[in-house]
Amino acid sequence: QVQLVESGGGVVQPGRSLRLSCAASGFTFSTYAMHWVRQAPGKGLEWVAIIYNDGSNKYYTDSVKGRFTISRDNSKNTLYLQMNSLTAQDTAVYYCARDLNEGSGAWRFDSWGQGTLVTVSS
Amino acid sequence: AIQLTQSPSSLSASAGDRVTITCRTSQGISSALAWYQQKPGKAPKVLIYGASSLESGVPSRFSGSGSGTDFTLTISSLQPEDFATYYCQQFNSYPDGFTFGPGTKVDIK
Repeated sequence: QVQLVESGGGVVQPGRSLRLSCAASGFTFSTYAMHWVRQAPGKGLEWVAIIYNDGSNKYYTDSVKGRFTISRDNSKNTLYLQMNSLTAQDTAVYYCARDLNEGSGAWRFDSWGQGTLVTVSS
Repeated sequence: AIQLTQSPSSLSASAGDRVTITCRTSQGISSALAWYQQKPGKAPKVLIYGASSLESGVPSRFSGSGSGTDFTLTISSLQPEDFATYYCQQFNSYPDGFTFGPGTKVDIK
């Protein structure tokens, strides 16, 4: 069965960096685009970034452009999110999610990890 | 960027009730909309995609409708396990974003 397991969260000081990982199993990782989605405490869901299945294209929400980098290692079935220059506004649970697009609007994030909490605080 | 609104932001209902949640987009998105359910401390789970297609394994009491700018998620007979927060998400403005709505919390009356 599809499994996504995030790791790397923790408490970090403002201005510092953190790298999140998402280990995938149960499916052919290299054939799916992948996303990061975050959720601040008590708030709604916010899409963060997407990376194509082969890593050829990456897109970000405006608030993280220039600070976050999404990447993947298909040989290790692992997705990453490098987060630099962190601020308190980046405090959230970060989820990785699998992209499933079957065309004609049949698009969704069909599998999610359990999330990893990032707290930015001095 | 496309903005999503949901109404109501919260509602109280009883088991067995019919519940309807609305999602409105600032621009037409055809049928490129999904609905998710999220329970406290858990990851979201997809219920509906393509505005009206039921995700495999999701109970048939969930249904979706709409196209363009106005969409609806309906729970025909609310069950105790359905008390959760529901989010819509649009896919039309890719790659500008995969915007989520602000959520609708359904709790017990």
